[in-house]
Amino acid sequence: AQSVSQHNHHVILSEAASLELGCNYSYGGTVNLFWYVQYPGQHLQLLLKYFSGDPLVKGIKGFEAEFIKSKFSFNLRKPSVQWSDTAEYFCAVTSIFGNEKLTFGTGTRLTIIP
Amino acid sequence: SQTIHQWPATLVQPVGSPLSLECTVEGTSNPNLYWYRQAAGRGLQLLFYSVGIGQISSEVPQNLSASRPQDRQFILSSKKLLLSDSGFYLCACFGQGGYEQYFGPGTRLTVT
Repeated sequence: AQSVSQHNHHVILSEAASLELGCNYSYGGTVNLFWYVQYPGQHLQLLLKYFSGDPLVKGIKGFEAEFIKSKFSFNLRKPSVQWSDTAEYFCAVTSIFGNEKLTFGTGTRLTIIP
Repeated sequence: SQTIHQWPATLVQPVGSPLSLECTVEGTSNPNLYWYRQAAGRGLQLLFYSVGIGQISSEVPQNLSASRPQDRQFILSSKKLLLSDSGFYLCACFGQGGYEQYFGPGTRLTVT
């Protein structure tokens, strides 16, 4: 069975700081990888996704993530965070066969201090 | 694109009472549908998924059940709620292109 680990439970940063949130997955086959974000009081929404090709993927709002197959990792990065990035971030994985159930990590709460 | 509706938005129910949460989807046909529960510090836990009318798969043994009476309707139920059923319940479906899931606004359930 697949699993996802997000080791940072709560991250607090000042505005303009750089961000990296860790995500490691466990799965024997080829995967699709996702980062979802949940802003306070809002729907869970897709931030970015990796299916194949360039392992560095860019998402909305200046976020990017790098898939490192050898490390089973898909870390989320942003060079300069803003107060509006305060949210909860979830990494998720599914097999490549599509329409499979997503396995989520436990989430990382990000708090940006103005 | 698809839109997911969930109701009610919030619900406070006593222990032992029944539960019915509804999810409907617009903008797609024959979607795969999912029920998740989000509990503090535990992320999103998949409870049920459905690939078609009347087809339900349960991921974890629990006090809850799911049904899919229509193509774009997914219902989460319980006959008798437990305190541990409290949480934030999210309905989701796969997008038309596949692979990525779209989520509804969720229902906050508090069992007292």
